[in-house]
Amino acid sequence: DTEVTQTPKHLVMGMTNKKSLKCEQHMGHRAMYWYKQKAKKPPELMFVYSYEKLSINESVPSRFSPECPNSSLLNLHLHALQPEDSALYLCASSQDGAGGDTQYFGPGTRLTVL
Amino acid sequence: GNSVTQMEGPVTLSEEAFLTINCTYTATGYPSLFWYVQYPGEGLQLLLKATKADDKGSNKGFEATYRKETTSFHLEKGSVQVSDSAVYFCALIVAGGTSYGKLTFGQGTILTVHP
Repeated sequence: DTEVTQTPKHLVMGMTNKKSLKCEQHMGHRAMYWYKQKAKKPPELMFVYSYEKLSINESVPSRFSPECPNSSLLNLHLHALQPEDSALYLCASSQDGAGGDTQYFGPGTRLTVL
Repeated sequence: GNSVTQMEGPVTLSEEAFLTINCTYTATGYPSLFWYVQYPGEGLQLLLKATKADDKGSNKGFEATYRKETTSFHLEKGSVQVSDSAVYFCALIVAGGTSYGKLTFGQGTILTVHP
């Protein structure tokens, strides 16, 4: 089973709202990732967690705050977003933090910021 | 640094036509290579992969061979179906170093198959 689940599927929020995206995997993977994808573009890496520790932050604005409560769960907390943050947010996981493993993606959360 | 170049799309084919989507790469180190597919409104699905030179990845009738001498990983399918209409991303990853954990994607190729 190579399933990564994400909730919610769709999210609409105002610029003053606080919301969270959730990602879960039960493959025993120890690395988890957040990507942002704009229409007709490839995904852009935001954050990498390896063994529940943040290992890469790709200079993402502080209005995006990741959290890894345990090895199966990854959250992305959103606060004071801008309309240009509207995008598909993808979570992925891979076997371990060595960096060369296959990444398996979830279905994504479609975020609209009004 | 690492980079992936895919043939420009969109690509429009009739059902049962032969498909080739070209992909070439540059990498510092020895990459693993992937093709991901994204159907409309969905996330990315791993289509196939190859981890060393001359490996052939295959899945659902799609194939790609890791060619180190030409730094290429072209995607092929002998007979496409309408259900293959999607965006296809070629990608690479290199273990270790400064590119740790970072998938490098091509720009994506939109494939539309007509009945």
